[in-house]
Amino acid sequence: GAVVSQHPSWVICKSGTSVKIECRSLDFQATTMFWYRQFPKQSLMLMATSNEGSKATYEQGVEKDKFLINHASLTLSTLTVTSAHPEDSSFYICSAKVNRGDSPLHFGNGTRLTVT
Amino acid sequence: DAKTTQPPSMDCAEGRAANLPCNHSTISGNEYVYWYRQIHSQGPQYIIHGLKNNETNEMASLIITEDRKSSTLILPHATLRDTAVYYCIVRVKNAGNMLTFGGGTRLMVKP
Repeated sequence: GAVVSQHPSWVICKSGTSVKIECRSLDFQATTMFWYRQFPKQSLMLMATSNEGSKATYEQGVEKDKFLINHASLTLSTLTVTSAHPEDSSFYICSAKVNRGDSPLHFGNGTRLTVT
Repeated sequence: DAKTTQPPSMDCAEGRAANLPCNHSTISGNEYVYWYRQIHSQGPQYIIHGLKNNETNEMASLIITEDRKSSTLILPHATLRDTAVYYCIVRVKNAGNMLTFGGGTRLMVKP
């Protein structure tokens, strides 16, 4: 149980275009999901916290107008990278937690974004 | 969240036990120790967590010292598929839910 699915697993886009990444909790409901970014040979960095039915909370230095987050249901959060640039190329990973006691966070398999 | 310190890399022979240490000397009483691993180009995978008692599941064992200032993740019979970066994270359970990742330990299991 507790499977988090991310789609697509990889995407290549041209500079200036927008890309949407989906994160779904397949067998549980998640009122909160988290979006991380990971550059090569670095650790995961939290970008934002996605809350169902309300605005996302962004970490310092993350542009909310560039990284649009929508959490319209208890099983789906989306991250849209708007006007992508080559420096946005990275590995984006979402995570979610079962809304129950001591359940740990579960992660999707990530989306490799390459902006050309 | 308490800061953790892990060795940047370790090697282990296939079939042998892999013992991954983590120091968390500033841990407070209500903070748990979580372990995750990340295999190349995949999302992190939850392994195990604990508060003060040793824990064991189908993947690994977690040994926490009596003073809780350090812990060891044990993979009893390491396989090549266990090659990954292992992250030790200390945090208050449920507080904010998000996890802060440090540098982790890159475990290389060798044949």
